[in-house]
Amino acid sequence: SQQGEEDPQALSIQEGENATMNCSYKTSINNLQWYRQNSGRGLVHLILIRSNEREKHSGRLRVTLDTSKKSSSLLITASRAADTASYFCATDAGRSGGSYIPTFGRGTSLIVHP
Amino acid sequence: ETGVTQTPRHLVMGMTNKKSLKCEQHLGHNAMYWYKQSAKKPLELMFVYSLEERVENNSVPSRFSPECPNSSHLFLHLHTLQPEDSALYLCASSQEKGYGTGGKIMNTEAFFGQGTRLTVV
Repeated sequence: SQQGEEDPQALSIQEGENATMNCSYKTSINNLQWYRQNSGRGLVHLILIRSNEREKHSGRLRVTLDTSKKSSSLLITASRAADTASYFCATDAGRSGGSYIPTFGRGTSLIVHP
Repeated sequence: ETGVTQTPRHLVMGMTNKKSLKCEQHLGHNAMYWYKQSAKKPLELMFVYSLEERVENNSVPSRFSPECPNSSHLFLHLHTLQPEDSALYLCASSQEKGYGTGGKIMNTEAFFGQGTRLTVV
């Protein structure tokens, strides 16, 4: 079943603005990951945050995790037209003793206007 | 280049055809996955192979048949598909390692191929 749910479904901003996307999930996790997908292509891993971490940075990306609220956010600062893509969160919905199964939401479609 | 290669990139097939999608990973990973991505839907997990054994079959119709001959290769055999099976099929791999809280398997990220755009006519 679907684990992560991104919000908003679509986001349209101007170049230079910040973009914030949110992800909510249902069950306990060991880690949460954010991925990016350009139209019709495969997903590319952006950043992983572990359940004992609250914030993580990678370049212009900032991810937060609130395990009490079962939510995460991805912030892209100083956005560029090249950031236009769909962004997905994934949790490790693997079962105890089972295999790791990355489970994705519907994604947030981000459009950055030049 | 993510280290996961899918072929073909595009495929058009009739409903009576038999075709296969191929995925190859050069990362030394021990788990591989097939996902289906249709317009306006979440990525749907189809199959998971761990150490060459199928560990997940997410209620996928039998017209889709996976095969994992070794840890580097994964196939998806297709036969008598329906037009609603038209979608982007994504292969991914990851490395399972260690156990974390509650005995869950810890892992890093999944690496995806570029996908095969399948159109069933």
